[in-house]
Amino acid sequence: DAGVIQSPRHEVTEMGQEVTLRCKPISGHNSLFWYRQTMMRGLELLIYFNNNVPIDDSGMPEDRFSAKMPNASFSTLKIQPSEPRDSAVYFCASSFSSSPLHFGNGTRLTVT
Amino acid sequence: GENVEQHPSTLSVQEGDSAVIKCTYSDSASNYFPWYKQELGKRPQLIIDIRSNVGEKKDQRIAVTLNKTAKHFSLHITETQPEDSAVYFCAVFQGGSEKLVFGKGTKLTVNP
Repeated sequence: DAGVIQSPRHEVTEMGQEVTLRCKPISGHNSLFWYRQTMMRGLELLIYFNNNVPIDDSGMPEDRFSAKMPNASFSTLKIQPSEPRDSAVYFCASSFSSSPLHFGNGTRLTVT
Repeated sequence: GENVEQHPSTLSVQEGDSAVIKCTYSDSASNYFPWYKQELGKRPQLIIDIRSNVGEKKDQRIAVTLNKTAKHFSLHITETQPEDSAVYFCAVFQGGSEKLVFGKGTKLTVNP
């Protein structure tokens, strides 16, 4: 099992540009989570999907953030336009039913 | 929503000593309490978890205790080793959902 796969590992972009982060969950897992990690705010849940349907997006900071899960094996988190305060590590995680969450290696985003 | 408080934020111990990290939560309906370890630059990884139908669980040098009445749970690491140095996060599944809410983390340093 390859685990949760995220790409890219690092992303450096200029303010105002669109950023797309990608995630492939573990095969067979039916829930997918996007977290953001910063020193100040810790691990924050942005949105989670169950069976490809968004269940709770109350953590999405603002309309500049959007997430999709077109099928069971792929999800994207998009920021448009990006701002310096979006700089953080973004983690994708997946689980099956009430099993523990498995995290990907994260995407370190730097917006200059 | 669920509120998770974690203490202390930093903890420094001598190799061989024990370390204890405590978390409190607010939602009495919560029933699953995992602990994650995150080494520098890496993803959070599950080290132990406990469900609400038991009061204690042990795995070698690591144990977790749960007091549902008081709504708090603790991570205990015995015979600490330098490789235990990391940030430890407690988490709580928000009652009635798959939403995992994390504490702010404890940076544990084990001095040789």
